[in-house]
Amino acid sequence: EVQLVEFGGGLVQPGGSLRLSCAASGFTFSDYWMTWIRQAPGKGLERVATIIQDGRSEIYYVDSVKGRFTISRDNAKNSLFLQMNSLRAEDTAVFYCVRGAPGDCSSTSCSLMDVWGQGTTVTVSS
Amino acid sequence: DIVLTQTPLPSPVTLGQPASISCRSSQSLVHRDGNTYLSWLQQRPGQPPRLLIYKTSKRFSGVPDRFSGSGAGTDFTLKISRVEAEDVGVYFCMQVTRFPGGFTFGQGTKLEIK
Repeated sequence: EVQLVEFGGGLVQPGGSLRLSCAASGFTFSDYWMTWIRQAPGKGLERVATIIQDGRSEIYYVDSVKGRFTISRDNAKNSLFLQMNSLRAEDTAVFYCVRGAPGDCSSTSCSLMDVWGQGTTVTVSS
Repeated sequence: DIVLTQTPLPSPVTLGQPASISCRSSQSLVHRDGNTYLSWLQQRPGQPPRLLIYKTSKRFSGVPDRFSGSGAGTDFTLKISRVEAEDVGVYFCMQVTRFPGGFTFGQGTKLEIK
Protein backbone atom coordinates (compact mmCIF):
# COMPACT_ATOMS: atom_id res chain seq x y z
CA GLU A 1 0.00 0.00 0.00
CA VAL A 2 1.30 3.42 -0.98
CA GLN A 3 1.62 5.65 2.08
CA LEU A 4 2.90 9.11 2.88
CA VAL A 5 3.21 10.11 6.53
CA GLU A 6 4.08 13.66 7.46
CA PHE A 7 5.49 14.68 10.82
CA GLY A 8 7.55 17.32 12.55
CA GLY A 9 4.97 20.08 12.84
CA GLY A 10 4.30 22.02 16.02
CA LEU A 11 4.01 25.41 17.64
CA VAL A 12 6.87 27.80 16.96
CA GLN A 13 7.41 31.48 17.59
CA PRO A 14 7.73 33.94 14.72
CA GLY A 15 11.28 33.87 13.42
CA GLY A 16 11.76 30.30 14.54
CA SER A 17 12.54 27.13 12.59
CA LEU A 18 11.00 23.70 12.04
CA ARG A 19 11.97 20.69 9.97
CA LEU A 20 9.14 18.68 8.47
CA SER A 21 9.59 15.10 7.34
CA CYS A 22 7.58 12.83 5.09
CA ALA A 23 8.06 9.07 5.25
CA ALA A 24 7.15 7.26 2.04
CA SER A 25 6.38 3.57 1.69
CA GLY A 26 4.80 1.16 -0.74
CA PHE A 27 6.43 2.57 -3.87
CA THR A 28 9.84 3.30 -5.34
CA PHE A 29 10.38 6.73 -3.82
CA SER A 30 13.36 7.59 -6.01
CA ASP A 31 11.20 7.31 -9.15
CA TYR A 32 9.00 10.28 -8.25
CA TRP A 33 9.02 14.03 -8.09
CA MET A 34 7.83 15.08 -4.64
CA THR A 35 5.97 18.19 -3.51
CA TRP A 36 5.01 19.90 -0.28
CA ILE A 37 1.56 21.49 -0.28
CA ARG A 38 0.09 23.57 2.52
CA GLN A 39 -3.37 24.64 3.59
CA ALA A 40 -3.85 27.56 5.94
CA PRO A 41 -6.79 27.29 8.35
CA GLY A 42 -10.05 27.57 6.42
CA LYS A 43 -8.20 28.34 3.20
CA GLY A 44 -7.27 26.66 -0.06
CA LEU A 45 -4.30 24.61 -1.20
CA GLU A 46 -0.91 26.06 -2.10
CA ARG A 47 2.15 24.38 -3.58
CA VAL A 48 5.12 25.21 -1.35
CA ALA A 49 8.03 23.36 -2.95
CA THR A 50 8.74 20.64 -5.50
CA ILE A 51 11.86 18.52 -5.94
CA ILE A 52 13.02 16.29 -8.76
CA GLN A 53 13.90 12.63 -8.31
CA ASP A 54 17.66 13.17 -7.89
CA GLY A 55 17.13 15.93 -5.34
CA ARG A 56 19.48 18.35 -7.01
CA SER A 57 18.84 19.33 -10.62
CA GLU A 58 15.41 20.90 -10.30
CA ILE A 59 13.80 22.47 -7.25
CA TYR A 60 10.95 24.97 -7.21
CA TYR A 61 9.46 27.16 -4.49
CA VAL A 62 6.47 29.43 -4.20
CA ASP A 63 7.72 33.02 -4.05
CA SER A 64 6.58 33.58 -0.47
CA VAL A 65 9.00 30.97 0.92
CA LYS A 66 12.05 31.51 -1.28
CA GLY A 67 15.14 32.07 0.83
CA ARG A 68 13.41 30.76 3.96
CA PHE A 69 12.40 27.17 3.17
CA THR A 70 14.54 24.35 1.76
CA ILE A 71 13.16 21.15 0.33
CA SER A 72 15.36 18.06 0.27
CA ARG A 73 15.11 14.30 0.06
CA ASP A 74 16.97 11.17 1.06
CA ASN A 75 16.17 8.47 -1.46
CA ALA A 76 18.03 5.84 0.57
CA LYS A 77 15.66 6.49 3.46
CA ASN A 78 12.52 7.11 1.38
CA SER A 79 12.14 10.47 3.03
CA LEU A 80 11.25 14.01 2.03
CA PHE A 81 12.07 17.04 4.14
CA LEU A 82 11.16 20.70 4.42
CA GLN A 83 13.46 22.92 6.46
CA MET A 84 11.53 26.05 7.41
CA ASN A 85 13.40 29.07 8.79
CA SER A 86 12.33 32.61 9.64
CA LEU A 87 8.77 31.43 10.12
CA ARG A 88 5.94 33.91 9.97
CA ALA A 89 2.37 33.86 11.22
CA GLU A 90 1.19 33.45 7.64
CA ASP A 91 3.07 30.14 7.39
CA THR A 92 0.56 28.62 9.82
CA ALA A 93 -0.96 25.69 7.93
CA VAL A 94 -1.34 21.98 7.56
CA PHE A 95 1.51 20.68 5.39
CA TYR A 96 1.07 17.68 3.12
CA CYS A 97 3.59 15.81 0.99
CA VAL A 98 2.45 14.34 -2.32
CA ARG A 99 4.12 12.48 -5.14
CA GLY A 100 4.14 12.61 -8.89
CA ALA A 101 4.32 14.61 -12.04
CA PRO A 102 2.07 14.85 -15.10
CA GLY A 103 4.00 12.08 -16.80
CA ASP A 104 2.88 9.71 -14.06
CA CYS A 105 -0.68 9.85 -15.37
CA SER A 106 -1.73 7.65 -18.28
CA SER A 107 -5.11 7.09 -19.80
CA THR A 108 -5.89 4.39 -17.23
CA SER A 109 -4.05 5.32 -14.04
CA CYS A 110 -2.49 8.24 -12.26
CA SER A 111 0.24 8.54 -9.64
CA LEU A 112 0.14 12.30 -9.31
CA MET A 113 -1.38 13.40 -6.00
CA ASP A 114 -3.07 10.03 -5.75
CA VAL A 115 -2.13 9.56 -2.11
CA TRP A 116 -2.40 12.06 0.73
CA GLY A 117 -1.34 11.65 4.31
CA GLN A 118 -3.11 13.33 7.22
CA GLY A 119 -0.63 16.19 7.11
CA THR A 120 1.33 17.85 9.88
CA THR A 121 0.24 21.12 11.47
CA VAL A 122 2.55 24.09 11.79
CA THR A 123 1.44 26.94 14.01
CA VAL A 124 3.50 30.12 14.12
CA SER A 125 2.49 32.24 17.05
CA SER A 126 3.96 34.05 20.02
CA ASP B 1 1.25 32.47 -13.42
CA ILE B 2 -1.88 30.62 -14.36
CA VAL B 3 -4.90 31.54 -12.26
CA LEU B 4 -7.77 29.11 -11.81
CA THR B 5 -11.13 30.60 -10.88
CA GLN B 6 -13.94 28.41 -9.60
CA THR B 7 -17.57 29.42 -9.47
CA PRO B 8 -19.60 28.97 -6.29
CA LEU B 9 -22.49 26.53 -6.13
CA PRO B 10 -26.00 27.73 -5.46
CA SER B 11 -25.95 26.46 -1.94
CA PRO B 12 -27.21 24.12 -0.64
CA VAL B 13 -27.79 21.43 -3.26
CA THR B 14 -30.75 19.09 -2.90
CA LEU B 15 -29.91 15.47 -2.16
CA GLY B 16 -30.24 13.39 -5.31
CA GLN B 17 -30.02 16.37 -7.63
CA PRO B 18 -27.13 17.12 -9.99
CA ALA B 19 -24.41 19.66 -9.29
CA SER B 20 -21.82 21.30 -11.53
CA ILE B 21 -18.67 23.14 -10.55
CA SER B 22 -16.89 25.32 -13.05
CA CYS B 23 -13.17 26.06 -13.22
CA ARG B 24 -11.81 28.68 -15.59
CA SER B 25 -8.13 29.10 -16.35
CA SER B 26 -6.40 32.36 -17.23
CA GLN B 27 -4.42 30.51 -19.92
CA SER B 28 -4.88 27.40 -22.01
CA LEU B 29 -4.02 24.23 -20.11
CA VAL B 30 -3.06 22.22 -23.19
CA HIS B 31 0.41 20.79 -22.61
CA ARG B 32 2.98 20.56 -25.39
CA ASP B 33 2.40 16.79 -25.32
CA GLY B 34 -1.24 17.35 -26.28
CA ASN B 35 -2.69 16.43 -22.90
CA THR B 36 -4.59 18.81 -20.63
CA TYR B 37 -3.49 18.34 -17.04
CA LEU B 38 -6.48 19.59 -15.12
CA SER B 39 -7.45 17.61 -12.04
CA TRP B 40 -10.22 17.77 -9.47
CA LEU B 41 -9.77 17.08 -5.78
CA GLN B 42 -12.39 16.56 -3.08
CA GLN B 43 -11.81 17.50 0.53
CA ARG B 44 -14.36 16.26 3.00
CA PRO B 45 -14.60 18.06 6.35
CA GLY B 46 -11.59 17.30 8.52
CA GLN B 47 -9.96 15.14 5.88
CA PRO B 48 -7.02 15.58 3.50
CA PRO B 49 -7.82 16.14 -0.17
CA ARG B 50 -8.58 13.17 -2.40
CA LEU B 51 -7.97 12.86 -6.14
CA LEU B 52 -11.21 12.49 -8.12
CA ILE B 53 -10.42 13.36 -11.72
CA TYR B 54 -7.18 13.74 -13.66
CA LYS B 55 -6.37 14.80 -17.23
CA THR B 56 -9.68 16.66 -17.38
CA SER B 57 -11.98 13.65 -17.58
CA LYS B 58 -10.26 10.52 -16.27
CA ARG B 59 -11.92 9.18 -13.15
CA PHE B 60 -9.38 8.05 -10.54
CA SER B 61 -9.54 4.52 -9.18
CA GLY B 62 -12.41 3.96 -6.76
CA VAL B 63 -14.22 7.21 -7.56
CA PRO B 64 -17.97 6.68 -8.06
CA ASP B 65 -19.17 7.08 -11.62
CA ARG B 66 -21.58 9.84 -10.60
CA PHE B 67 -18.51 12.09 -10.78
CA SER B 68 -17.40 13.21 -14.22
CA GLY B 69 -15.06 15.83 -15.61
CA SER B 70 -15.15 17.66 -18.90
CA GLY B 71 -13.79 20.70 -20.67
CA ALA B 72 -10.96 21.91 -22.85
CA GLY B 73 -8.58 24.80 -23.22
CA THR B 74 -9.54 27.18 -20.43
CA ASP B 75 -12.99 26.00 -19.30
CA PHE B 76 -13.60 22.90 -17.23
CA THR B 77 -16.45 21.36 -15.29
CA LEU B 78 -16.88 18.78 -12.57
CA LYS B 79 -20.34 17.23 -12.58
CA ILE B 80 -22.00 15.13 -9.92
CA SER B 81 -24.99 13.38 -11.48
CA ARG B 82 -26.85 12.79 -8.20
CA VAL B 83 -25.51 14.38 -5.07
CA GLU B 84 -25.19 12.12 -2.04
CA ALA B 85 -24.65 13.04 1.60
CA GLU B 86 -21.02 11.87 1.50
CA ASP B 87 -20.25 14.43 -1.24
CA VAL B 88 -20.29 17.29 1.25
CA GLY B 89 -16.98 19.12 1.23
CA VAL B 90 -14.82 21.45 -0.79
CA TYR B 91 -13.81 20.77 -4.37
CA PHE B 92 -10.61 22.11 -5.89
CA CYS B 93 -9.48 22.19 -9.47
CA MET B 94 -5.74 22.00 -10.05
CA GLN B 95 -3.50 22.45 -13.06
CA VAL B 96 -0.10 20.85 -13.56
CA THR B 97 0.24 21.65 -17.25
CA ARG B 98 3.03 24.04 -16.34
CA PHE B 99 4.64 21.55 -13.94
CA PRO B 100 7.07 21.83 -12.24
CA GLY B 101 7.44 25.57 -12.32
CA GLY B 102 3.76 26.33 -12.50
CA PHE B 103 1.37 24.38 -10.36
CA THR B 104 -1.81 26.03 -9.16
CA PHE B 105 -5.13 25.35 -7.48
CA GLY B 106 -8.51 26.97 -7.77
CA GLN B 107 -9.81 28.64 -4.64
CA GLY B 108 -12.22 25.82 -3.88
CA THR B 109 -16.00 25.40 -4.13
CA LYS B 110 -18.00 24.32 -1.13
CA LEU B 111 -20.78 21.78 -1.60
CA GLU B 112 -23.50 21.76 1.01
CA ILE B 113 -26.54 19.51 0.87
CA LYS B 114 -30.11 19.94 2.03
